[in-house]
Formats: sequence, structure tokens, C-alpha cells
Amino acid sequence: GQNIDQPTEMTATEGAIVQINCTYQTSGFNGLFWYQQHAGEAPTFLSYNVLDGLEEKGRFSSFLSRSKGYSYLLLKELQMKDSASYLCAVRDSNYQLIWGAGTKLIIKP
Amino acid sequence: GAVVSQHPSRVICKSGTSVKIECRSLDFQATTMFWYRQFPKKSLMLMATSNEGSKATYEQGVEKDKFLINHASLTLSTLTVTSAHPEDSSFYICSASFEREWGEQFFGPGTRLTVL
Repeated sequence: GQNIDQPTEMTATEGAIVQINCTYQTSGFNGLFWYQQHAGEAPTFLSYNVLDGLEEKGRFSSFLSRSKGYSYLLLKELQMKDSASYLCAVRDSNYQLIWGAGTKLIIKP
Repeated sequence: GAVVSQHPSRVICKSGTSVKIECRSLDFQATTMFWYRQFPKKSLMLMATSNEGSKATYEQGVEKDKFLINHASLTLSTLTVTSAHPEDSSFYICSASFEREWGEQFFGPGTRLTVL
């Protein structure tokens, strides 16, 4: 079967760095997405990776290793507003999106 | 648990035809269902929110008459793209929630629509 694994919940301190991992097993691969969802709001796009390596966008970076079926989202200089759920999704060979259950990130002062 | 399915997974149609996409919550009752459109390599755009038994709430800029949403039961919502045109070609994703407001959402696998 196809599945995406990511931790259910993580806690980090304001100003610190946190890495949210995502491992996947899918039939084929056509890109990996990270979304942020604040409670009470729609998900918002963070990043898209289709080639191996690191994509950096300000405080957020996303890494992909296709051979390992692995990605991570790195958040630097954490702010209280980063408290949210982070969703990993992989597009398989049929262009279907396989969603992770999301990681709830709690930021403490 | 909390599985959401969509049907069809992909559809190709001629310009001017209407296409219906179904979203089902398989093992739970979804009080609220959401319809999104995903642009290539980019963001998930919320189109509308529907609560079972009531009219859908559309986001600004989304045409109600073009994208008809019906949430007739607690396990089924449908999105009908009426008189589809090539610019409607996109990836449509639904999600479902136990809760009436923005609770935890469970996403479907998406439907790829190609309009010729």
C-alpha cells in the first residue's frame, strides 16, 4: 500500500530550529508538497520538491531524497505564529495525492 | 480510519460538457467538506466549504454557477464543473472534517480534470 509517515506532534522553543520529517512509500513519485495549516484556517502552500536536494525559502527549507523516500521541512528562528499543523503530501505515478496525517507543531516561549 | 475517497481519479472531457466529481468519507460522518483546486507545483486554493444539508459557502472569486457543490449526506459531497473549458483543467481535491468549523481535515487523493 501507499503511505506517508510524519510525527503526530512536535514541540519546540521560540527562536530555535525544528525539523519535521516525512517518509513515504508510494507507487511512483511526481513531487512532494508541504503545507501549513493554522487552526481555523485553510492550508497554505509552503514548498514543492521534485528533485533531490534542499529548497530554501526564507526561514523555511524543504529537503528531498527520492532514493530514501524521505523529506524534511526545516523551520528556523521559530516564531509563535509558526504553531500550526504541517502536512506532507506526495504525488504518485497516477498523479494522485497521498497525504500524511500532519504534524502538529507547538511553539513555546 | 478517516479515509476520504474521490471519484473519478482523472477525467478528460470536451469543452462545454459538465463533469461531476464525488467526494466520500468512507469511515466517518463528515459534517463539513471542503473543495480545493491545486495549481501546478503550487498552492492549494480553497474553493468552497459545505456543511451537510446547507448551501455551500464559496470563496471570493469562485463562480457559484460554474462550480456547483452539493453536500446531500454526511458521507458524500459532489462538485460539478459546468460547461467546462480548458482553463478549468486542474487538480481538484476535497477534504472532510468531523467538525462544523475548521477542525482537523482529512484529504482525498484528488481528481485530475483535463478539458480539451
